[in-house]
Order: sequence, then C-alpha cells, then structure tokens
Amino acid sequence: EAGVTQFPSHSVIEKGQTVTLRCDPISGHDNLYWYRRVMGKEIKFLLHFVKESKQDESGMPNNRFLAERTGGTYSTLKVQPAELEDSGVYFCASSQTGGGYEQYFGPGTRLTVT
Amino acid sequence: AQSVSQHNHHVILSEAASLELGCNYSYGGTVNLFWYVQYPGQHLQLLLKYFSGDPLVKGIKGFEAEFIKSKFSFNLRKPSVQWSDTAEYFCAVGSYNQGGKLIFGQGTELSVKP
Repeated sequence: EAGVTQFPSHSVIEKGQTVTLRCDPISGHDNLYWYRRVMGKEIKFLLHFVKESKQDESGMPNNRFLAERTGGTYSTLKVQPAELEDSGVYFCASSQTGGGYEQYFGPGTRLTVT
Repeated sequence: AQSVSQHNHHVILSEAASLELGCNYSYGGTVNLFWYVQYPGQHLQLLLKYFSGDPLVKGIKGFEAEFIKSKFSFNLRKPSVQWSDTAEYFCAVGSYNQGGKLIFGQGTELSVKP
C-alpha cells in the first residue's frame, strides 16, 4: 500500500511569488489534514478535509492560503503571494473515517521564501 | 485553549540508558493521546497511542507510555535506548469532537551516543 506522498519535496521561491503544494493521501482515506512546522516551533494544524469538504480550516494563517481537494482525492495548498514567514515544512496526513484513527504522514514539503 | 507541552527540547543519552520524555496537555474533554517519532530523513510515524482502557500502552520498538489523567500527562519511556533511537519525538493530543486534528508539543530531539 502506497503511503502519503507530497510534491515537491523542497521549494525555494521569492517573496511575492506563488507556490502550490500537492498531497496524495492513502487511497480510501476520507480524512486529509495539512500541518505546518515553522523552524524551531511546534507542528501546527492548518486544515482538515473530509472527502472534498473543508471540515475545519481554523488553523489557516490568512487568506493568502487556499486549500482544495477536488473529487475527494489529492489536495493542493496554494500560497499566494508568499511571504518570508511562510517558510517552513508543510506536512500532509490522512486517516480513515472516524476522526480518531491514526494519521499517516507524508514526508513534508520544505518551503523556503527568500 | 488546548496545548501540549514537552518538557525537554534536547536529550542526550548513552546507549543502554533509560529514557523518559515528559508530556503534559491541557484539554477539557476526552482526548486521544499519541507519540510520533521522526527518524532522520524519514516521515513522522506513530510510536503508540492511547484511546481508552489500560493507561499503560506499549508501542513499537520497546517504547511505552503511561496516561495519568489526574496529572494530564502522557510520558514516554524506554528502559534501554539504542543508537538507532536517535530521532525527534512528538507528543500529540487529538479529539473526536475536534475532527481528529492533532495538537502537537514542541518536539524533543533525542541523541543517543554509541
């Protein structure tokens, strides 16, 4: 069984540019979560999809961040325009229906905004 | 607000030493508790979890954790560490009522000297 995959593994962009991160969850997992870890800080929740619906986006920092999950499969997280403070590692995780099941994490995308 | 606190930022041990990593959480309802580990260059993976029942839970690779409700604690232990346990360890709290999103502690880097 393939795990959670994320693309790209690393992205370096300039302030003001746009970046789109992609996450492919484990097949059949309805729940998809995005998290972010800024250097030196804890991993923080960004948002939660159940299938294609946003269940909870309380952790999204501001309206420069847009997440989608068309068709309930893969998800994208777009940052537009990127700011220096957006640098960090963006993790995606997926889990089976039920909310309390184990979340399987992807390898993360390291975003560097210069 | 929910929060998770890990007592140690960086722990250095010699092989065969015993390990205990502290974790305290703040949450008003029923919680699920997790320890995740990230080995160098690898994904976050689940070490162990507590949902209900026996407060002493056993995980992979000889790790265990004890849930003490009265102390809001979920400390991770291992009687004898190995060099291969060098990694970053994360305590996390989740709740069915919150859609399963995880609140993470700051992480503890464990370095085991051979």
